[in-house]
Amino acid sequence: SQTIHQWPATLVQPVGSPLSLECTVEGTSNPNLYWYRQAAGRGLQLLFYSVGIGQISSEVPQNLSASRPQDRQFILSSKKLLLSDSGFYLCAWSVERGTGNTIYFGEGSWLTVV
Amino acid sequence: AQSVTQPDIHITVSEGASLELRCNYSYGATPYLFWYVQSPGQGLQLLLKYFSGDTLVQGIKGFEAEFKRSQSSFNLRKPSVHWSDAAEYFCAVGARYNTDKLIFGTGTRLQVFP
Repeated sequence: SQTIHQWPATLVQPVGSPLSLECTVEGTSNPNLYWYRQAAGRGLQLLFYSVGIGQISSEVPQNLSASRPQDRQFILSSKKLLLSDSGFYLCAWSVERGTGNTIYFGEGSWLTVV
Repeated sequence: AQSVTQPDIHITVSEGASLELRCNYSYGATPYLFWYVQSPGQGLQLLLKYFSGDTLVQGIKGFEAEFKRSQSSFNLRKPSVHWSDAAEYFCAVGARYNTDKLIFGTGTRLQVFP
């Protein structure tokens, strides 16, 4: 069966510091990978998605970036965090099949920028 | 514009009572519909999905949802709520080959009283 791991689970970082959140998927190959952000009181916002190694699509302009150095690894980064980057970050994966593309989520990472 | 509306921000029910969470969507193509549940501080778990066929869909944990095209709705139901169902519920809509663009509602928080 497929599993998704995301870490760290909780992170407190000062403004202006760098960020690295990592996500790996096991039990499948060539998955679609996603980073979502969930701000307090709001729904989920798609930040990045990737259909393959080195292929990253950005949905919203921001000071975050994503990379996919390996097939099942997806990294969310920032060189300098802003207060507004605080939130709950969710990695997700999917494998499109003939019956549709269902997205499965990791456990999330809480980021507090202070 | 494509959108998902969950009109109820917060619902409170007694344990053992029936539950219906509302979801309305606006989507130009044939929609693929999902319900996810999120326990506090955790990731999202897929409850059920509708792609085609029978408009009444059964999911995990005793939940079901009914797709009504004429009303653009995909309401989630459970005949008897358990205290462990207290969580936040998200409706989402996407297209068959493009659910990387899943659009989420803002969620409904369910509180269950004993």
